[in-house]
Parts: sequence; C-alpha cells; structure tokens
Amino acid sequence: TQLLEQSPQFLSIQEGENLTVYCNSSSVFSSLQWYRQEPGEGPVLLVTVVTGGEVKKLKRLTFQFGDARKDSSLHITAAQPGDTGLYLCAGVPTDSWGKLQFGAGTQVVVTP
Amino acid sequence: KAGVTQTPRYLIKTRGQQVTLSCSPISGHRSVSWYQQTPGQGLQFLFEYFSETQRNKGNFPGRFSGRQFSNSRSEMNVSTLELGDSALYLCASSKSGTNTGELFFGEGSRLTVL
Repeated sequence: TQLLEQSPQFLSIQEGENLTVYCNSSSVFSSLQWYRQEPGEGPVLLVTVVTGGEVKKLKRLTFQFGDARKDSSLHITAAQPGDTGLYLCAGVPTDSWGKLQFGAGTQVVVTP
Repeated sequence: KAGVTQTPRYLIKTRGQQVTLSCSPISGHRSVSWYQQTPGQGLQFLFEYFSETQRNKGNFPGRFSGRQFSNSRSEMNVSTLELGDSALYLCASSKSGTNTGELFFGEGSRLTVL
C-alpha cells in the first residue's frame, strides 16, 4: 500500500487541454514535492510546497498543498507535448523522519 | 556543475549473482539516497547515507546494502539476486538529506536479472 496515492494513474490528452493530477494521503507531511520523470532519466524536482493551503505557480503549472497538509494537486493549463512524462509526488511524513516517500506516479501523455 | 553520475547504466545478471552499483553525487552534497523503481511499486526508498553513515533504511531485506566513502561517493550492493530485483536503481544526492527533500537524481542503473 502506497503512503501517497496518486490519481489518475494514466492520463492522455490533446495539446491545449487542461489536466489535474492528485496526490492524497491519510498522513500529514511537513512538505510535499512534485517531480517529473522522462523516459531514461531520473526524476527532476519541479516544486516544493511547505505551508498548508499554499499555491505555487511555475509557468503553466499550478501546485496546491492541502490545508491539512495531507494532499496536493498539480494543474497544467494548455498542456504541450513537452509536458509528457511521469509526475511523482513525494513527501516526508511528520512521524517518519528522513524517509522521503514517493507516490506511484501519474503518466501524462500530451499528443499534438 | 556536473550532475549525479551512476554507473553502470545497464547490466544483466543471473539469479544468485551479486551486483554493485556506483553513484557520484553533485560536488558539495553530503547526502546520497538510493531508490528502487519498478512499474508495479513505483519508487521505493532503500537507504540514505550522510557523511559515511547510514542515516535511514527502508524495508528491504539484508541482501541490499550500501556504503558511502569519504568523498561522498556511494555504492550499493545486492547479493543473491532474485528475479524480482530487476528494476531501475536511482541514486539521489542532496546537501542536507532526504528530510528536507531537494533531491537531485541520476539517470539510474537498470538491472535485469535472468
């Protein structure tokens, strides 16, 4: 059982459409991170959210941390083929120091 | 600056053999952590080393071990390989450790066990 549950597992959309990926847990996290992984490469950090209710924007990507610090979402506006990849959320539970846990990931495919 | 370097990138072993994977972190980073990535389980935390000491360990059997050298380079070893050990093994470095995140990953070592 994953500590961090990501949904959906797979998402295929057309260029220009919007999408949202969710990351949920019953545990409280001191912070949550989002990574993107492309084939043949390691994950690359996109953002870290720390404060409950925090919203961060990175160009067309919007990240939100839940008020209770148990969940997060990633919203992509006007998706482009370059957004294709495996999106992973990760966090350290407040009761499990040092063990950064990852969700299983959401595979996003954006077709032209 | 140079990123995290993992060697080898690909390797094939047979059941019962052992394997050693190497990771060179970003210069100045003292923490190295290892993850196993499989399609079914995602990224699973193996262990973290900081200044040559294992600081955290995941829920893997004792066949999985690691170490860190004084120059922060790290190795992980898997003995008595099983088919289920086939995976992408990712190394990540950070300045202060996995508790604060900000991990920088290498491209991984893809292990196939036949």
